[in-house]
Amino acid sequence: KQEVTQIPAALSVPEGENLVLNCSFTDSAIYNLQWFRQDPGKGLTSLLLIQSSQREQTSGRLNASLDKSSGRSTLYIAASQPGDSATYLCAVGHAGNNRKLIWGLGTSLAVNP
Amino acid sequence: ETGVTQSPTHLIKTRGQQVTLRCSSQSGHNTVSWYQQALGQGPQFIFQYYREEENGRGNFPPRFSGLQFPNYSSELNVNALELDDSALYLCASSLDGQGAGELFFGEGSRLTVL
Repeated sequence: KQEVTQIPAALSVPEGENLVLNCSFTDSAIYNLQWFRQDPGKGLTSLLLIQSSQREQTSGRLNASLDKSSGRSTLYIAASQPGDSATYLCAVGHAGNNRKLIWGLGTSLAVNP
Repeated sequence: ETGVTQSPTHLIKTRGQQVTLRCSSQSGHNTVSWYQQALGQGPQFIFQYYREEENGRGNFPPRFSGLQFPNYSSELNVNALELDDSALYLCASSLDGQGAGELFFGEGSRLTVL
């Protein structure tokens, strides 16, 4: 059974820091991995999608990497800003049942001015 | 290009009642997935519809049912509401029913069951 874990659960950093959020999964037979952002009480905003054949994706100040063999993905945020404060969730599309995503519980990020 | 829209945004029901939540998929998308997100938890997959057919279901009882219409909009129906059904219900649309495509979410419908 696929399990997705995100570490840390919460993170507070001063503005301007570069930071790394971690996502690990137990079954490497994944179809894709997607990072999302969620503001309090709101829906989910897709940040980056990495297909299983890819190693990384970049969008602006965000870079996500994928290492299937070790069951890990990282989301790197450069030069963090207060507007980056949100919960970041990773979700894994499992190759055995790629009609649904398996989710982590998220990392709650606070960037302080 | 319009994004995913959900209605209503908030609603309050009492135990035993029935509720219908609606979702309009992003333009050009033929697949809609529904998720339940309890407070402080990650989303849980309810089911997915691809071209008007159910295309996968999570561990939810039969009182959770859905529909997809020819225009690819979708409804989630929940009968005999229970207190534990209180959650944010998220709809996501994608282009590919096989799961390879990126998911785009609406803002959600927050259901409170009293």
